[in-house]
Amino acid sequence: EDKVVQSPLSLVVHEGDTVTLNCSYEVTNFRSLLWYKQEKKAPTFLFMLTSSGIEKKSGRLSSILDKKELFSILNITATQTGDSAVYLCAVEVESNFGNEKLTFGTGTRLTIIP
Amino acid sequence: EPEVTQTPSHQVTQMGQEVILRCVPISNHLYFYWYRQILGQKVEFLVSFYNNEISEKSEIFDDQFSVERPDGSNFTLKIRSTKLEDSAMYFCASSEKGARTDTQYFGPGTRLTVL
Repeated sequence: EDKVVQSPLSLVVHEGDTVTLNCSYEVTNFRSLLWYKQEKKAPTFLFMLTSSGIEKKSGRLSSILDKKELFSILNITATQTGDSAVYLCAVEVESNFGNEKLTFGTGTRLTIIP
Repeated sequence: EPEVTQTPSHQVTQMGQEVILRCVPISNHLYFYWYRQILGQKVEFLVSFYNNEISEKSEIFDDQFSVERPDGSNFTLKIRSTKLEDSAMYFCASSEKGARTDTQYFGPGTRLTVL
């Protein structure tokens, strides 16, 4: 059974701190790993990672994938209260018909204290 | 910016009733998905749909569930006879090609409450 595990489950930090969120996975037919941010409702896309060792960056957020050790990290530097959300890691698994399904972790709930 | 839309935002129904959740995927997307998230639990895959047929479905997607693309824009999820445990947030997603470089974009979700 495909498995995606995120840690920590929740994290409370002060504004300005740097945080690292972890995601490890055990899946068959790995295609890519995605990070989403979920505030009130819909997960919104952050990053898609397909290759090991190549950092993706978007402003204060960055992420990297290690396909040998089967994990990814999401870094947020200089956190702001608007970063408070649940961060979801999902692994895209190849299916028989070419459209991949996502297997999600339970998420990390990040709370930024002003 | 194009987005996936879903209606209604919240649906309350009695156990045993049929519900239809509606989604309008992004217009040039060809692959469609339904996921659900029970309160406090993780997002779970239900079904994927391409070329007017189901591509893959999970164990959750039993005979009570069906999907349809009744016209060129809508994508629906029907639950025939709802159970208490169907209470969850249901997300629709779509992607352009379904290939490894294409991201699934999610709608805002429909919160289904079964009483």
